[in-house]
Amino acid sequence: GAVVSQHPSWVICKSGTSVKIECRSLDFQATTMFWYRQFPKQSLMLMATSNEGSKATYEQGVEKDKFLINHASLTLSTLTVTSAHPEDSSFYICSARAISSYEQYFGPGTRLTVT
Amino acid sequence: AQSVTQLDSHVSVSEGTPVLLRCNYSSSYSPSLFWYVQHPNKGLQLLLKYTSAATLVKGINGFEAEFKKSETSFHLTKPSAHMSDAAEYFCVVSGRMDSSYKLIFGSGTRLLVRP
Repeated sequence: GAVVSQHPSWVICKSGTSVKIECRSLDFQATTMFWYRQFPKQSLMLMATSNEGSKATYEQGVEKDKFLINHASLTLSTLTVTSAHPEDSSFYICSARAISSYEQYFGPGTRLTVT
Repeated sequence: AQSVTQLDSHVSVSEGTPVLLRCNYSSSYSPSLFWYVQHPNKGLQLLLKYTSAATLVKGINGFEAEFKKSETSFHLTKPSAHMSDAAEYFCVVSGRMDSSYKLIFGSGTRLLVRP
């Protein structure tokens, strides 16, 4: 139980295009989902916290207009990287906090490469 | 404010010898502490967590950690390393920031296991 999936697992896009990453809690409901970014050989940095049905809260230094987050249901959150640039290339990881237990579960990550 | 410091960026051990990964935390109240493992290009897997119950916490794959309030430490240990233990390990504290609870990651320790 408590599985979080991400799609796609990896994506390559051209500079200037937009990419959408989906995060789903498969067997539990989550009012809160988190998006992290991890650069090579570095730790996870929280980008934003999204709550179902409301606007996401972004961490300091994260551009909300560049990283659009939508949390449309209790099992789905999406992160859209708009007008991607090579410096946006990174490993993006989502996690979901279960309503029932407040446990936080992590997805497998999405590797984004912008060429 | 809550924070964690992982004292070693790299730890190298021989297969079959003990593992010690060090973590110190800072918290203004009784914290929840976690250890996660990340294998290359993979998502995070929870090894164990401390939530104010027993100070010695046993996790998966033979790992355990001891919460020592007097030393503000939560070191991860394993009696005998396996080659499959080679990975990145993150010490994490759950902290209250901006009216919500968030996971705060340490910088990570890369464990190398020599045959």
